[in-house]
Amino acid sequence: EVQLVESGGGLVQPGGSLRLSCAASGFTFSSYWMSWVRQAPGKGLEWVATIKQDGSEKYYVDSVKGRFTISRDNAKNSLYLQMNSLRAEDTAVYYCARGGSSTGLAFDIWGQGTMVTVSS
Amino acid sequence: SYMLTQPPSVSVAPGKTARITCGGNNIGSKTVHWYQQKPGQAPVLVIYYDSDRPSGIPERFSGSNSGNTATLTISRVEAGDEADYFCQVWDNSSDHVVFGGGTKLTVL
Repeated sequence: EVQLVESGGGLVQPGGSLRLSCAASGFTFSSYWMSWVRQAPGKGLEWVATIKQDGSEKYYVDSVKGRFTISRDNAKNSLYLQMNSLRAEDTAVYYCARGGSSTGLAFDIWGQGTMVTVSS
Repeated sequence: SYMLTQPPSVSVAPGKTARITCGGNNIGSKTVHWYQQKPGQAPVLVIYYDSDRPSGIPERFSGSNSGNTATLTISRVEAGDEADYFCQVWDNSSDHVVFGGGTKLTVL
């Protein structure tokens, strides 16, 4: 079964850091672009970051540039999102999703999401 | 930056046809994807590359894209189609993924 499972969410103070992980299974992880998409409570979907199969290309939404870093470990079938200098407005459910390339691929597989709450 | 505009809500009676629009400057030149999200669940891809359906998505779901508007059409609407729907494109000028604000489909 094709599956993405996120972990690492939780409560963090403003200015703090958190590292999200996404474990992939059921497909050849190294062959796919991967992305993070978030959704603030009661709001719509917001793309966060995308990484190419070999990690050579990375793209970020402007609001997280310089604070968040997307990475992957193809040997471990895992995707990561290092989040630093967290702000209240980063509070959201963070989804790991397969796809989202610069060639316009859709997000065809989504994880169940992990909640990040930034609050003092 | 590129923006996608969706109506906040669309209402339709069971058995009728729902049309959800996604407006953007010359969106017809871009590839549009559509997602369905039910409360408390992750989004699900329902249309990709403007009009293709993933396996497992009913034929009642279709898509089109031309000019400044992309449209998701749901025929013979069922109660189970009630959900939020989001359109999405890749904006080449900014190297960003862009989502529409979402449309809540209510089945009367």
